[in-house]
Amino acid sequence: GAGVSQSPSNKVTEKGKDVELRCDPISGHTALYWYRQSLGQGLEFLIYFQGNSAPDKSGLPSDRFSAERTGGSVSTLTIQRTQQEDSAVYLCASSPPPHYSPLHFGNGTRLTVT
Amino acid sequence: LAKTTQPISMDSYEGQEVNITCSHNNIATNDYITWYQQFPSQGPRFIIQGYKTKVTNEVASLFIPADRKSSTLSLPRVSLSDTAVYYCLVGDAGSSNTGKLIFGQGTTLQVKP
Repeated sequence: GAGVSQSPSNKVTEKGKDVELRCDPISGHTALYWYRQSLGQGLEFLIYFQGNSAPDKSGLPSDRFSAERTGGSVSTLTIQRTQQEDSAVYLCASSPPPHYSPLHFGNGTRLTVT
Repeated sequence: LAKTTQPISMDSYEGQEVNITCSHNNIATNDYITWYQQFPSQGPRFIIQGYKTKVTNEVASLFIPADRKSSTLSLPRVSLSDTAVYYCLVGDAGSSNTGKLIFGQGTTLQVKP
């Protein structure tokens, strides 16, 4: 079946512009995660959605970052007034119930801020 | 949140068995242990998961001692295509308090011919 889909796969933007990154999770998956991975580094947690509960936003690095999940499905990560340090791969993952189910990752959006 | 510690890097040769150990001293009762593999330019992909004792699937084995404070991923007879970064993840996505899953730095495995 279809996996987690992220779009665009690559995004180049100018410093100061806003960007929106999209994640289409696997149908029926209730949990959705956003991670950021800088070149050669590990995965940095950004935000977590679980069902209809309030999202855990504790990983968002600044108030320029926000995310929403509409209808318990598609999620959008928005970065306002992008900075060069925002350049990274942004990965989305989803998982179904039960609570310990493994994560299914998309291939990420590579964001380059010039 | 359970923090994990893994070796930063390991080298091996084709055909050898590779064991990567992850420490997670403050693992919680509801936490599961999951290992992921990541190739360049791809998202991590699931390898194996366990709660206690030993789990085996078609690609790997996972050994978890009784105290669950560590786990060992065993890759039998590695090949060049097993060169990747391996992440140990400990958590419980179902908890509203601890549901966020924090990855450690991972282990870069280099398989040589």
